[in-house]
Amino acid sequence: DTGVSQDPRHKITKRGQNVTFRCDPISEHNRLYWYRQTLGQGPEFLTYFQNEAQLEKSRLLSDRFSAERPKGSFSTLEIQRTEQGDSAMYLCASSRDSRALNTEAFFGQGTRLTVV
Amino acid sequence: GENVEQHPSTLSVQEGDSAVIKCTYSDSASNYFPWYKQELGKGPQLIIDIRSNVGEKKDQRIAVTLNKTAKHFSLHITETQPEDSAVYFCAARTGNQFYFGTGTSLTVIP
Repeated sequence: DTGVSQDPRHKITKRGQNVTFRCDPISEHNRLYWYRQTLGQGPEFLTYFQNEAQLEKSRLLSDRFSAERPKGSFSTLEIQRTEQGDSAMYLCASSRDSRALNTEAFFGQGTRLTVV
Repeated sequence: GENVEQHPSTLSVQEGDSAVIKCTYSDSASNYFPWYKQELGKGPQLIIDIRSNVGEKKDQRIAVTLNKTAKHFSLHITETQPEDSAVYFCAARTGNQFYFGTGTSLTVIP
């Protein structure tokens, strides 16, 4: 499978616990995005990496959220002290950069987080 | 920032009929407009896209049109089939971000 891979697919956690999600992008893609999607809504941008550099962060990304992409390949998204409002589908996408001919963004299957 | 509006929120069609979903955007700097299909419990799947220098693009039963002047773009699905039933999202890219519409739940009735 050469698509975007996310792990785990589902996570149930107690309020106040920390969780970490992983995303493996398509190998030749140097851009990686994190989005959050709640029921009945479209994906909302959280943050974006160009290689290992985190270039943009949404106001939605509170200080409890941190994302890394240390070697410019896989990325992790950590949520500290989870709250019930963090319950959502967390989606990762990857694309080539804007200088490439094809800059389509491809999404993973998402990680469904439930905070109880 | 960009604001993408999508209509209708739900759409039911008979199998074989056409379905049209419309989106508007606000930022004239947006230059790329993908459409995604999302099935329950899965991530969005890119089905077609259009760039700002193109007015129309077709791929088998799916077509997308773009009117830059009016800032709207539409998805057309012809000869709908039950497996087309899903939630469809339009998006607009401005800079390095994609902005999504709120989705259209399409039901194709056999």
